[in-house]
Amino acid sequence: NAGVTQTPKFRVLKTGQSMTLLCAQDMNHEYMYWYRQDPGMGLRLIHYSVGEGTTAKGEVPDGYNVSRLKKQNFLLGLESAAPSQTSVYFCASSYGALNTEAFFGQGTRLTVV
Amino acid sequence: DAKTTQPNSMESNEEEPVHLPCNHSTISGTDYIHWYRQLPSQGPEYVIHGLTSNVNNRMASLAIAEDRKSSTLILHRATLRDAAVYYCILRTQGGSEKLVFGKGTKLTVNP
Repeated sequence: NAGVTQTPKFRVLKTGQSMTLLCAQDMNHEYMYWYRQDPGMGLRLIHYSVGEGTTAKGEVPDGYNVSRLKKQNFLLGLESAAPSQTSVYFCASSYGALNTEAFFGQGTRLTVV
Repeated sequence: DAKTTQPNSMESNEEEPVHLPCNHSTISGTDYIHWYRQLPSQGPEYVIHGLTSNVNNRMASLAIAEDRKSSTLILHRATLRDAAVYYCILRTQGGSEKLVFGKGTKLTVNP
């Protein structure tokens, strides 16, 4: 049971390049989340999904797009990377929302130069 | 979203109990109180959650005030591995799907 797996773990991008971060969970969870965490800061919610085919904006959605075509996968896309998007990105999933725990991946460290 | 207030930092000594407070004075009747922690260089991990009654699990205990306007996460015997940032989060009906983190409390455990 792998839990929540993020791919890749590290990436360096040049300004203007695009990339997709993959989050995969094998727990049949309905809810999935993408966060970013800047040095010394807390987690900020980028986008989330409450089920296959649905997505919604979080606190800091600008510059990112997401897709949830399959229940087990939640993709985070950067169409034109900027240095301000240098951060550690975390994905999480949970079966429900109100009364269930969320499981987190180990993070993707992204540097945009 | 209902807000929580936590101290920025706390210190404890190894093998002593730690009480981490959280104020949530605007909590409503159906809000659940969740605690997560984030160890250095790791993703957050779930610690415990509750609604009205005190809760215990292998990691910690959650004591909820009778009026539910505050709660306390209790680590019964702190270890060096418990040094982390602890987040108190309210999950609210009709807004709970978001799972929004605040700034949390940075716990330092002294040997």
